[in-house]
Amino acid sequence: EVQLVESGGGLVKPGGSLRLSCSASGFNFAASSMSWVRQAPGKGLELVSSMTYATSHIFHADSVIGRFTISRDNAKNSLYLQMDSLRAEDTAVYFCARSAAGYDYWGQGTVVTVSS
Amino acid sequence: DIQMTQSPSTLSAFVGDKVTITCRAGQGISSWLAWYQQKPGRAPKLLIYKASSLESGVPSRFSGSASGTEFTLTISSLQPDDVATYYCQQYNSYPHTFGQGTKLEIK
Repeated sequence: EVQLVESGGGLVKPGGSLRLSCSASGFNFAASSMSWVRQAPGKGLELVSSMTYATSHIFHADSVIGRFTISRDNAKNSLYLQMDSLRAEDTAVYFCARSAAGYDYWGQGTVVTVSS
Repeated sequence: DIQMTQSPSTLSAFVGDKVTITCRAGQGISSWLAWYQQKPGRAPKLLIYKASSLESGVPSRFSGSASGTEFTLTISSLQPDDVATYYCQQYNSYPHTFGQGTKLEIK
C-alpha cells in the first residue's frame, strides 16, 4: 500500500523556521520525482517546490525562493522542506506528492500556521 | 508561468446529469494536463492524466478530452459522491500551475 505521511507542521511566529518531513512507503521512492504543494485556508492549490528523482532538477516557486529548501534522503525514503523566514502568507496545509504522470500519490497534509 | 483558467467556478446539477468543466491553458501544453478531485479536509485525488487517460480505480463516468489549449472534464452521470472541488493542472513546464478550482454541488 502506498503511503505518504507528512509531519513537522505547527504554529510558528513570523520570521521563524520549520522543517517538514514526508515519509514514503509502498513505491520506489528513489526513482520518483517529488513535490510539496500547499493550500492556504479556503484557497486553491499551489506548487511550492519539486525535486526530480536524481536531484538533477529543483524547482521553487518565486514566492519561496531564498527562504525554502527542498531536499530528500533516498536511503530513508524521505522528502523534506526547510522553511525559513516564514511569513503570514505561508499559512497553509502542506502536502507532499509524487510527481509522475500527474501527481498520483498524496499525503494527508500537515498544517503550518504563521502568526504572532 | 502558464496560466490555467478554469470555468465555471461553481456548478450545481441534478443527480444523473452530465457535467462539464473546462480548463484553458495560456499557451500550448501538449497533452500534459491532469484533473483532480478534492473533498473537504482531504488531499486531492488524481482522476485524469495526460488530458484523457483515466487513473486506475477511477469510475468510468469520468472522462477527459482536449482541443488545442482547451481541456474538458466530463462526468457522464453525476452521483452524490461526486460533490467536491475539481482542479486542472498543467505539468508541461514548471511551475506546474493549477486552475482556480470548480466547486460542484448537487441540486
